[in-house]
Amino acid sequence: KQEVTQIPAALSVPEGENLVLNCSFTDSAIYNLQWFRQDPGKGLTSLLLIQSSQREQTSGRLNASLDKSSGRSTLYIAASQPGDSATYLCAVGSNTGKLIFGQGTTLQVKP
Amino acid sequence: IAGITQAPTSQILAAGRRMTLRCTQDMRHNAMYWYRQDLGLGLRLIHYSNTAGTTGKGEVPDGYSVSRANTDDFPLTLASAVPSQTSVYFCASSYSWQGETQYFGPGTRLLVL
Repeated sequence: KQEVTQIPAALSVPEGENLVLNCSFTDSAIYNLQWFRQDPGKGLTSLLLIQSSQREQTSGRLNASLDKSSGRSTLYIAASQPGDSATYLCAVGSNTGKLIFGQGTTLQVKP
Repeated sequence: IAGITQAPTSQILAAGRRMTLRCTQDMRHNAMYWYRQDLGLGLRLIHYSNTAGTTGKGEVPDGYSVSRANTDDFPLTLASAVPSQTSVYFCASSYSWQGETQYFGPGTRLLVL
């Protein structure tokens, strides 16, 4: 059974820092991996989708990498801003389309 | 374009009552999903539909049923609510069921007493 883990559960950094969020999964036979952002009391917003054949995806200040063999993905946020404060969730997709979510990392960026 | 809408936004429900959570998308996506989000357990898939007319069970389907009569709507029904169904429910959709980005609605907060 696929298990997805995100460490740390919470992270607090000063504004301007570059930071890395980690996601690990137990079964390397994944179809894709998605990173989401969730603001308090809101739904999820998709940030990046990496297909299993890809190594990384970039969108603005965000870069997500995927290493299937080691069961790891990282989300790199450059030059963090207070507006980046949110919970970040990774989700592993199978060939049936189902997503298995990690429990998220709650990020606080202090001005 | 609204994307995905869910109704109601929140609800307090007496145990034993029947409740239908509504989900509508206007993106003409083929696949739709229902998740519940609980503190400490994260998001878990309840039911899904790869295309109109078909449905399937997710990780935690017991006590819930769904239907997919058309492309746009995917209601979730609790036949007889129990307190353990207190949760935040999210509907999501994707263009196809394979390898596509999933888009989420704003959620329904349900309290079963």
